[in-house]
Amino acid sequence: DAGVIQSPRHEVTEMGQEVTLRCKPISGHNSLFWYRQTMMRGLELLIYFNNNVPIDDSGMPEDRFSAKMPNASFSTLKIQPSEPRDSAVYFCASSNGVGTGGSTDTQYFGPGTRLTVL
Amino acid sequence: QKEVEQNSGPLSVPEGAIASLNCTYSDRGSQSFFWYRQYSGKSPELIMSIYSNGDKEDGRFTAQLNKASQYVSLLIRDSQPSDSATYLCAVPDSNYQLIWGAGTKLIIKP
Repeated sequence: DAGVIQSPRHEVTEMGQEVTLRCKPISGHNSLFWYRQTMMRGLELLIYFNNNVPIDDSGMPEDRFSAKMPNASFSTLKIQPSEPRDSAVYFCASSNGVGTGGSTDTQYFGPGTRLTVL
Repeated sequence: QKEVEQNSGPLSVPEGAIASLNCTYSDRGSQSFFWYRQYSGKSPELIMSIYSNGDKEDGRFTAQLNKASQYVSLLIRDSQPSDSATYLCAVPDSNYQLIWGAGTKLIIKP
């Protein structure tokens, strides 16, 4: 299996620009998570999808952030307009059984997208 | 607010010694516990999971769980420089979303 795939791996943009991050989860996994990681705040859950449906977006910082999962094999996280404080590493993770507990809660992470907003 | 607490470190251990990493959690109902390792510039990867009180061993790694004390630990025997990384403890909440600790940075000194 190819694992979780994220693109781009690095993104440098200017303040005010739109940024779109992409994720392909592991085939067969029914849950997808978007995280943001910074030195100051650690790993923060932004939003979680189960069977392509957003379940909890309480971690999304503000209306500038939006996420979609149009099908089981693709998700996007969009920031519009971007700000310097959005600079972080954004991880996508997937799992195959959230809601059942146990080993199916194991999340597999993609390589991340390092976002720099100037 | 459910919490997972870890000492941020850094924890410095000589090569060949036992590294002991600790994690406490606030939700008494938690049933599963995960240790992830994250190398600098890389993504977190699962190294151990534990569901029952007691010890679980996997090679040089041992996870220890004490639900009464709400405490889970990770022991690394015969520490190697390649074990130098940040170790993240994660515990699912009632909605099975992982609550993450801040991580402990481990440094193994040759």
